[in-house]
Amino acid sequence: DAKTTQPNSMESNEEEPVHLPCNHSTISGTDYIHWYRQLPSQGPEYVIHGLTSNVNNRMASLAIAEDRKSSTLILHRATLRDAAVYYCILRDVSPTGTASKLTFGTGTRLQVTL
Amino acid sequence: KAGVTQTPRYLIKTRGQQVTLSCSPISGHRSVSWYQQTPGQGLQFLFEYFSETQRNKGNFPGRFSGRQFSNSRSEMNVSTLELGDSALYLCASSPRQGNNSPLHFGNGTRLTVT
Repeated sequence: DAKTTQPNSMESNEEEPVHLPCNHSTISGTDYIHWYRQLPSQGPEYVIHGLTSNVNNRMASLAIAEDRKSSTLILHRATLRDAAVYYCILRDVSPTGTASKLTFGTGTRLQVTL
Repeated sequence: KAGVTQTPRYLIKTRGQQVTLSCSPISGHRSVSWYQQTPGQGLQFLFEYFSETQRNKGNFPGRFSGRQFSNSRSEMNVSTLELGDSALYLCASSPRQGNNSPLHFGNGTRLTVT
């Protein structure tokens, strides 16, 4: 499975934008880039995913490099509730094109301060 | 729509015993996958089921098994429990297979083996 590299931790001030980077230099052409976050004592929560083009949803934006070897999750205005561990994951597909699995790295622990 | 429900939330077992964990996916979701989360190893994929068939399997010993029922509900079983099996076990569901489908996680079952 292709691996991702993320900083162990980042800090942000509340109401400021946050850019969470992720490197995935061995990404394959069919890998989707997924982002999940996990708050304490909860299961991971889906944030956003994409293949080649930048993506936006109500939670965040995903900027994907043209060569797809890196991506950035953008939280436009961080709040205290955004403090969590953020996982950047490449989701592969089996040769049959049906099954896939997630391989989680260690993620980035985001701290948000007032 | 109700989220992914995992039962029980907490479980304490003794070494050598076996345990069964249950997962009810979001209504309409046919794919269910299981993950183990520990402080040392992070989140690790166990297996994935779709239409009552195991489609993908992680690198865990045969003591870990699972199944999926016709209503998409899933169970995982761990036999001959070891102390190292203490972990948070997470279930995730998805409406379909493939790597272009977000996963929705439950809040997990915390298993403690003494």
